[in-house]
Amino acid sequence: AQKVTQAQTEISVVEKEDVTLDCVYETRDTTYYLFWYKQPPSGELVFLIRRNSFDEQNEISGRYSWNFQKSTSSFNFTITASQVVDSAVYFCALSNMKTSYDKVIFGPGTSLSVIP
Amino acid sequence: DVKVTQSSRYLVKRTGEKVFLECVQDMDHENMFWYRQDPGLGLRLIYFSYDVKMKEKGDIPEGYSVSREKKERFSLILESASTNQTSMYLCASRVAGLGYEQYFGPGTRLTVT
Repeated sequence: AQKVTQAQTEISVVEKEDVTLDCVYETRDTTYYLFWYKQPPSGELVFLIRRNSFDEQNEISGRYSWNFQKSTSSFNFTITASQVVDSAVYFCALSNMKTSYDKVIFGPGTSLSVIP
Repeated sequence: DVKVTQSSRYLVKRTGEKVFLECVQDMDHENMFWYRQDPGLGLRLIYFSYDVKMKEKGDIPEGYSVSREKKERFSLILESASTNQTSMYLCASRVAGLGYEQYFGPGTRLTVT
């Protein structure tokens, strides 16, 4: 079975603090994709990043960075120097590579509040 | 820019009514999806369509049906709305193929009274 766990339901930080959102996944597949999406208060999920299971390199994009570790089945997301605009619900997701109709499994989401 | 639009942001319906939720995408994507989002449960897949007139059940299809007569439009139908279908409904589209990201609409918050 495939599953995505985001143990942190809600996080509050003060602006400019760093924050890490945890994501742990379960899959029996050896090949898969992992995603992060952001859902701001407007409601529309926005794609942030995709990693495939072959590539464990960490990635940095501005204030955002992602740490993918197959050994612990984790794909954590860190925001450096958080800003109020980072307030949103963040979803981690998993999909397999078996077919072109791969189903995406979403975690329950982590609600991040950045307080000015 | 990819744009996915949904017919309503907010909808209030009565128990037993037939409800239509419409989704339109403008990027010629083959795949389209309907999810419902509930607190603590994340997004759960109701149905998806990999091409025109093609559909597959997701994790929670009971009480729902879908229609995809044109590539850009994917409709979700609640045959007889019930209070447990009160939720946020999200539509998404994607290029066909492995691992592509999904593009989401703004959602429809449906309340069934």
